Amino acid sequence: QSALTQPASVSGSPGQSITISCTGTSSDVGSYNLVSWYQQHPGKAPKLIIYEVSKRPSGVSSRFSGSKSGNTASLTISGLQAEDEADFYCCSYAGNSLVFGGGTKLTVL
Amino acid sequence: EVQLVESGGGLVKPGGSLRLSCAASGFTFSNAWMSWVRQAPGKGLEWIGRIKRKTDGGTADYAAPVKGRFTISRDDSTNTLYLQVNSLKTEDTAVYYCTTYNYATGGFEYWGQGTLVTVSS
Repeated sequence: QSALTQPASVSGSPGQSITISCTGTSSDVGSYNLVSWYQQHPGKAPKLIIYEVSKRPSGVSSRFSGSKSGNTASLTISGLQAEDEADFYCCSYAGNSLVFGGGTKLTVL
Repeated sequence: EVQLVESGGGLVKPGGSLRLSCAASGFTFSNAWMSWVRQAPGKGLEWIGRIKRKTDGGTADYAAPVKGRFTISRDDSTNTLYLQVNSLKTEDTAVYYCTTYNYATGGFEYWGQGTLVTVSS
C-alpha cells in the first residue's frame, strides 16, 4: 500500500485560509469515507482533528474543516493563527489496513 | 482521562528483538480496538498494525513492511497492549506510538507519548 500524497509544505499569513490536499487511489480514499487528519507539533504526539472526512472531535476548532472529492481529500484551515504551525497528516482506511500521507509542514508567516 | 503510556524502547542491534508495552487507563480497554503507529526520525507517520477487541475476534492486521516480524497482542486483565518486534532492521528505528483506533470512524483517537526504538550496531 503506497503512502497517500500530500504537498511537502504550505504557508499562509495570519487570518488567511489554506488547504492541504491528500491524494490516494480508488483502493483507499476513493472507496471509503474513513479519512482522518492529524496535527503534530514538534516533539509531541499527533492529535486527531478530523475523522470520517469532515467530522471534528469535541474540542477541535471549527476553523478546521475537511472534504473529499474522488480520490482526493482536503483539509482547510481558516483564519490561520500562529499556533496552527505544525505538521499535518492524512490517513485513510484501505480495507484491513490503513495508510498515512507523507505529511505537510504548515508555516504561518 | 484517557492515558496511554508506552515503555520498552531502547537500543538494540540489527537482528535483535524487543517487546514494547502500552499501559492503558481512563477507558474500557477490553472494548477498544488498538493500534501501533511509528515515526522514523524526521519522517512521517507509518501505520504498523491494529488488534480488534476480543468480542470482534481479537485478531490483528499488519502493514506489509512488518508482517511476519511484528506481533501485536493484548492483555485485557491488565489493560496492556504489546508489540513484539523481531528481526529488527536499521530502518525500524523510530518512535513507536500506541493509539486507540475507532473502527467505525477510522480515526486514531488517543495517542501515547511514544517510545523510541533505535536499531544500530
